[in-house]
Amino acid sequence: EDQVTQSPEALRLQEGESSSLNCSYTVSGLRGLFWYRQDPGKGPEFLFTLYSAGEEKEKERLKATLTKKESFLHITAPKPEDSATYLCAVQALSQGNLIFGKGTKLSVKP
Amino acid sequence: DSGVTQTPKHLITATGQRVTLRCSPRSGDLSVYWYQQSLDQGLQFLIQYYNGEERAKGNILERFSAQQFPDLHSELNLSSLELGDSALYFCASSVDKNYGYTFGSGTRLTVV
Repeated sequence: EDQVTQSPEALRLQEGESSSLNCSYTVSGLRGLFWYRQDPGKGPEFLFTLYSAGEEKEKERLKATLTKKESFLHITAPKPEDSATYLCAVQALSQGNLIFGKGTKLSVKP
Repeated sequence: DSGVTQTPKHLITATGQRVTLRCSPRSGDLSVYWYQQSLDQGLQFLIQYYNGEERAKGNILERFSAQQFPDLHSELNLSSLELGDSALYFCASSVDKNYGYTFGSGTRLTVV
């Protein structure tokens, strides 16, 4: 069964304190791995798509990496506005729908 | 504004009732996906339509149904509502299955 597990469930950081979020997955043939950001009461906002092991993508203070079993979202020198829930999802080769993890809720304190 | 429009934003209804949620996909996107998000379950895939045809089903209850119309907008119908159906319902669209989704802002359904 295709599955996505994210850790930790919640993460509290001080402004400027870098850290990483983990996404472990099992999928029968990976088409792509997706990272989304979700603010309370809003729809998920697309951040990155990664397609193959070794691939990396960056956007401002965020950097996503992919291996054959997991993905990391690295946050460098976070700011309070980075506070949100970060969702990881996988798309199998045989399907169009995304399978989501339960997310990591990030809080960045000034 | 993501380009995916969902209405209504909020809906409060009683148990046993029926509601319809509406979604207009981003211009040019042929696929529409419906997801349910509750506090303990996260985002759960319900159903996918592509250019008017049902393509995939996830954990969708028999009390729920959906359709996609010729103008590509989609409706999710929820009937015989129960308290446990209270959740955020999201619609997402994409060009086809080879691309990621763009999500709407959701409909918050409260069943009382």
